[in-house]
Amino acid sequence: EAGVAQSPRYKIIEKRQSVAFWCNPISGHATLYWYQQILGQGPKLLIQFQNNGVVDDSQLPKDRFSAERLKGVDSTLKIQPAKLEDSAVYLCASSLDPTRWGIGFFGPGTRLTVL
Amino acid sequence: DAKTTQPPSMDCAEGRAANLPCNHSTISGNEYVYWYRQIHSQGPQYIIHGLKNNETNEMASLIITEDRKSSTLILPHATLRDTAVYYCIVRVMAGNMLTFGGGTRLMVKP
Repeated sequence: EAGVAQSPRYKIIEKRQSVAFWCNPISGHATLYWYQQILGQGPKLLIQFQNNGVVDDSQLPKDRFSAERLKGVDSTLKIQPAKLEDSAVYLCASSLDPTRWGIGFFGPGTRLTVL
Repeated sequence: DAKTTQPPSMDCAEGRAANLPCNHSTISGNEYVYWYRQIHSQGPQYIIHGLKNNETNEMASLIITEDRKSSTLILPHATLRDTAVYYCIVRVMAGNMLTFGGGTRLMVKP
């Protein structure tokens, strides 16, 4: 079974530029999550999708971050404009059954550096 | 979701059992204990979870105290590949958000 795919793996941009990350979840997984992990800290949930609907985006900085999952499969996370403090690893995860999150799967992440 | 407390780091000799503690004194009756680990440069990996009974799978054992205020993850024969940050998380089964704390950085040494 293929895992969660993310691209790019690394991205370096200057502050005030825009950037987008892509995630392809495991086939058939209705629930998709985006996490932000700052160096030395645990991952922090940004947004959760159930199919193509948003379940929880309470910790998403909506003035600069946006995410979509138009067809209920792939998802993109965008930052516009980026700030220095956005430097982090952005992790995508998916789950077959949202009531059993403990068996969700994470992708390798995209490491963003904002200069 | 209840807050958890873990030691920031631990060492373990290769081949020995690694016992990683977690305190969750404010855990509610319907909250489960989950353990994840994150190997360097990879996404977190699910290990095990439990409610009140001890659990065992091919990766580890989870021991939960009778009052459920603490738990211990046991890696019975640690290998160098088990070097990682281990996160203890408590949440309701049907809850959405998974809140990670700082975790325990386990270093397995030869």
